[in-house]
Amino acid sequence: NAGVMQNPRHLVRRRGQEARLRCSPMKGHSHVYWYRQLPEEGLKFMVYLQKENIIDESGMPKERFSAEFPKEGPSILRIQQVVRGDSAAYFCASSPGSLQSKNIQYFGAGTRLSVL
Amino acid sequence: AQKITQTQPGMFVQEKEAVTLDCTYDTSDPSYGLFWYKQPSSGEMIFLIYQGSYDQQNATEGRYSLNFQKARKSANLVISASQLGDSAMYFCAMGSGGSNYKLTFGKGTLLTVNP
Repeated sequence: NAGVMQNPRHLVRRRGQEARLRCSPMKGHSHVYWYRQLPEEGLKFMVYLQKENIIDESGMPKERFSAEFPKEGPSILRIQQVVRGDSAAYFCASSPGSLQSKNIQYFGAGTRLSVL
Repeated sequence: AQKITQTQPGMFVQEKEAVTLDCTYDTSDPSYGLFWYKQPSSGEMIFLIYQGSYDQQNATEGRYSLNFQKARKSANLVISASQLGDSAMYFCAMGSGGSNYKLTFGKGTLLTVNP
């Protein structure tokens, strides 16, 4: 089952460290999305990427957060100098990007980031 | 701006009975998609069902059906013949902008299926 793969599943960082979250989309999918879920909340859109391009990053905090989806390899969400408020579940989703396919987004299992 | 409202923080249902989870939405876009996802206690997000704003018929996927009432801006999920494994958080989401790429989620409903 070649679903969306995220790693690590759990990540613990101390304040001020960097967090790198990885996402490999489903086979055949060229569109990647990142969402953040705070406790007791629904998911909030962060960024939408296609290969080598950021299409919409309107949900990304202006500082410390960045995302990329290189030509080769997984998509990376990077959080620099983490703070306790960054503790959350980060979900990656992928889609074929085709309207004919309804562009349904399939999610990975998420990365739970805990900042000590 | 898009908004999804799920007014039921928690719901209980007996095994083998049907249950309806409510979802209302607000958007000014003429074209949009409505999605339901399931999040079990293990944490992953599982796609259940999709309804397009121009679809004439209500979507169905196995035991899941979507009661789409466009004039009322509601997209309720109906689960028939509930099973213990249906116990989970259920999220309604809306995609807009033509390609459904930006999903707006509700806060979810926690469904508990009792034996």
